[in-house]
Amino acid sequence: KAGVTQTPRYLIKTRGQQVTLSCSPISGHRSVSWYQQTPGQGLQFLFEYFSETQRNKGNFPGRFSGRQFSNSRSEMNVSTLELGDSALYLCASSSLGSSYEQYFGPGTRLTVT
Amino acid sequence: SQQGEEDPQALSIQEGENATMNCSYKTSINNLQWYRQNSGRGLVHLILIRSNEREKHSGRLRVTLDTSKKSSSLLITASRAADTASYFCATDGNTPLVFGKGTRLSVIA
Repeated sequence: KAGVTQTPRYLIKTRGQQVTLSCSPISGHRSVSWYQQTPGQGLQFLFEYFSETQRNKGNFPGRFSGRQFSNSRSEMNVSTLELGDSALYLCASSSLGSSYEQYFGPGTRLTVT
Repeated sequence: SQQGEEDPQALSIQEGENATMNCSYKTSINNLQWYRQNSGRGLVHLILIRSNEREKHSGRLRVTLDTSKKSSSLLITASRAADTASYFCATDGNTPLVFGKGTRLSVIA
């Protein structure tokens, strides 16, 4: 099976702009979770989508949002970017859910200037 | 908040030596998982151990779990330069996975 893919791999944005990141899970996986990874805070859970419904949400402001399509592909959107949003954004898919074995994509490196 | 915390933060060993990393957590769990991350890349799942298991093996990996002490250890035997990476434990409880900040392992050839 093909692995989890994320696009784009690298992105540079300016403060105040918005950005949309995309994730295609492993075929057959209905759960997609998003994580933010920074040197200071480590890996932090953003949200999980399962069969197009948000099932869990981490402690992030409303500027961070996501959605999942009927083919399980997921997007996350960050509006009004701040410098602190610079991070590696990781998407993970699972057949069972966000508490079980996760298959991670390579990540999107977002730099906000 | 971080539930799992790995110790040590960094570890440097010679190729062929064993590497041991520890993870402590705070609340009850259903399972504990270990992941590896090569620099700036996605994480790779290594092993999952359930709360009713005490030890699990996978190739050169050995994981132990002590729920009474709320701790786990990951042992990599006969390490190789390719094992150089960051290693994370992740716990669930009744929430999505919560990751620690990881142990950075350097294996010197």
